[in-house]
Amino acid sequence: DGGITQSPKYLFRKEGQNVTLSCEQNLNHDAMYWYRQDPGQGLRLIYYSQIVNDFQKGDIAEGYSVSREKKESFPLTVTSAQKNPTAFYLCASSMVQGGEKLFFGSGTQLSVL
Amino acid sequence: QKEVEQNSGPLSVPEGAIASLNCTYSDRVSQSFFWYRQYSGKSPELIMSIYSNGDKEDGRFTAQLNKASQYVSLLIRDSQPSDSATYLCARYEGYALNFGKGTSLLVTP
Repeated sequence: DGGITQSPKYLFRKEGQNVTLSCEQNLNHDAMYWYRQDPGQGLRLIYYSQIVNDFQKGDIAEGYSVSREKKESFPLTVTSAQKNPTAFYLCASSMVQGGEKLFFGSGTQLSVL
Repeated sequence: QKEVEQNSGPLSVPEGAIASLNCTYSDRVSQSFFWYRQYSGKSPELIMSIYSNGDKEDGRFTAQLNKASQYVSLLIRDSQPSDSATYLCARYEGYALNFGKGTSLLVTP
């Protein structure tokens, strides 16, 4: 089945630690996105990538980093510089043309120990 | 940043009634709008898209867009308890979707 796979489902971070959230898609989509969702809030854009080896900062990129070495993969690293990382992280993908129709993964809940 | 505004609710409607969800946005350039449904702890799922002024119907759902007044709405007819969820309005900004904070809908039996 085609889709977007995020892992892990739950992740715990110790203070000062970097953690990486995985996102893989087999939809052959060009564009991939990372959003953060806090309780009772909408989705805020962290990073997006429209092509391999290129990515752009979204509205809340500070404390995060990404890479796009393969079309299928767009991992997100939450660095120790992100002081309030507890949130639900959603990865999405789309075709560049018609890119407004996002397909979401199942999400990763990150919590701080 | 261009804003997408939604009333957080909760909006409570009895089963079988029409639920009306509203969204306003802050500029006249936006062309494409979307409604996503999100159950607690789950990822959003697309239920409607609308690009031009007027109404668009899909089953029990109707999306309405008024670009002059800068609002978009979602009507859910014959509301069911399974419709209880958070509904997110989103606007396409040329590179990604900009989401509102969502409206919580509760359909009571």
